[in-house]
Amino acid sequence: ETGVTQTPRHLVMGMTNKKSLKCEQHLGHNAMYWYKQSAKKPLELMFVYNFKEQTENNSVPSRFSPECPNSSHLFLHLHTLQPEDSALYLCASTQNGAGLALSNEKLFFGSGTQLSVL
Amino acid sequence: GEDVEQSLFLSVREGDSSVINCTYTDSSSTYLYWYKQEPGAGLQLLTYIFSNMDMKQDQRLTVLLNKKDKHLSLRIADTQTGDSAIYFCAVVSAGNTGKLIFGQGTTLQVKP
Repeated sequence: ETGVTQTPRHLVMGMTNKKSLKCEQHLGHNAMYWYKQSAKKPLELMFVYNFKEQTENNSVPSRFSPECPNSSHLFLHLHTLQPEDSALYLCASTQNGAGLALSNEKLFFGSGTQLSVL
Repeated sequence: GEDVEQSLFLSVREGDSSVINCTYTDSSSTYLYWYKQEPGAGLQLLTYIFSNMDMKQDQRLTVLLNKKDKHLSLRIADTQTGDSAIYFCAVVSAGNTGKLIFGQGTTLQVKP
């Protein structure tokens, strides 16, 4: 148990559907992240939120829309996805999003949502 | 940009040592990390090494860092079936933006 909870664990959706992924952290952290994990590819950072403000958008298509209403919750709203968007979507958190470079600050990951787009 | 490379697959017998290798292109990362992902789970920090160290030992784990060659390795002694997982090397992107760059992950298969 890492203190980061993601729901749902699995999601199957059609290309015309709208769905949302949810992430909640119980660690009192101030930064939250969305990563995409595709088979045999490096983990891709999608979005970073620090103190509820988006500080990083890694050229993610607009069919992915993040929302961070508070430091404990992070959503990823999905609409008109493509089959190539099928992947494991991982949420993570750190105490402070700017701290990774200079400290041994650790990313705490959720178990992920396995998304299949048909 | 920063590039982190790992081999995709490693198979060992139970009781043997496993060595997982990672190379990176350019990093001012103060810390370099190894993450472990067990089946059906997210990534968990396994260990890390401070950039001014050459080696760090933590029970069955040994991390070696060769900064000149930009090479990081993870050695698991007496590998057990429970060590079967995907292992990710990660460094912080150049420019100290705080962004972690991950390798593709190495799947470790431990045979009884």
